[in-house]
Amino acid sequence: DQQVKQNSPSLSVQEGRISILNCDYTNSMFDYFLWYKKYPAEGPTFLISISSIKDKNEDGRFTVFLNKSAKHLSLHIVPSQPGDSAVYFCAASASGTYKYIFGTGTRLKVLA
Amino acid sequence: DAGVTQSPTHLIKTRGQHVTLRCSPISGHKSVSWYQQVLGQGPQFIFQYYEKEERGRGNFPDRFSARQFPNYSSELNVNALLLGDSALYLCASSHRESYNEQFFGPGTRLTVL
Repeated sequence: DQQVKQNSPSLSVQEGRISILNCDYTNSMFDYFLWYKKYPAEGPTFLISISSIKDKNEDGRFTVFLNKSAKHLSLHIVPSQPGDSAVYFCAASASGTYKYIFGTGTRLKVLA
Repeated sequence: DAGVTQSPTHLIKTRGQHVTLRCSPISGHKSVSWYQQVLGQGPQFIFQYYEKEERGRGNFPDRFSARQFPNYSSELNVNALLLGDSALYLCASSHRESYNEQFFGPGTRLTVL
């Protein structure tokens, strides 16, 4: 039972354009969400997070949007840069469970 | 400041053997979590420890165990290894036990033959 889903295994975007990565979840108890970036042979690197009391959080080129009614979140990267090419994971957590559930990842390729 | 460190980086074992993986969290972090990542999948939660106590456990068999030491470093032990245990094992540390970002180490690549 995949509670966190990233339905697009890969995405290609031109340098300078917007990258939009999507994530859906099924568990309505999830109230904290994170995005991670992973390069080959490295551990995931934290990018940005959002709690369920907000619908948007912004940090530099990265913005996360949360739509609780649709159980959907998205990560926007503007402008996209070649160094952003990596696998992106979304993760979710529910209050009191102390664990993070990860999606299967989306491989982003930013073309120069 | 050093990030999360894990040892060893690579390990090859045979079926039925036992393995111990080690993790040192970022200085000041009291929470350590362990994840298993198989190819093509996201990290799967195994354990979380906070202040040396187990706070959460994922859907893994009893062959998997862990502990956290007074200096907050941690060990993950896997007994009676199976071929399906071959994976990247990731350790993550954080300040608090929940509602905060986790910082990951580079992982230990375990191959079971």
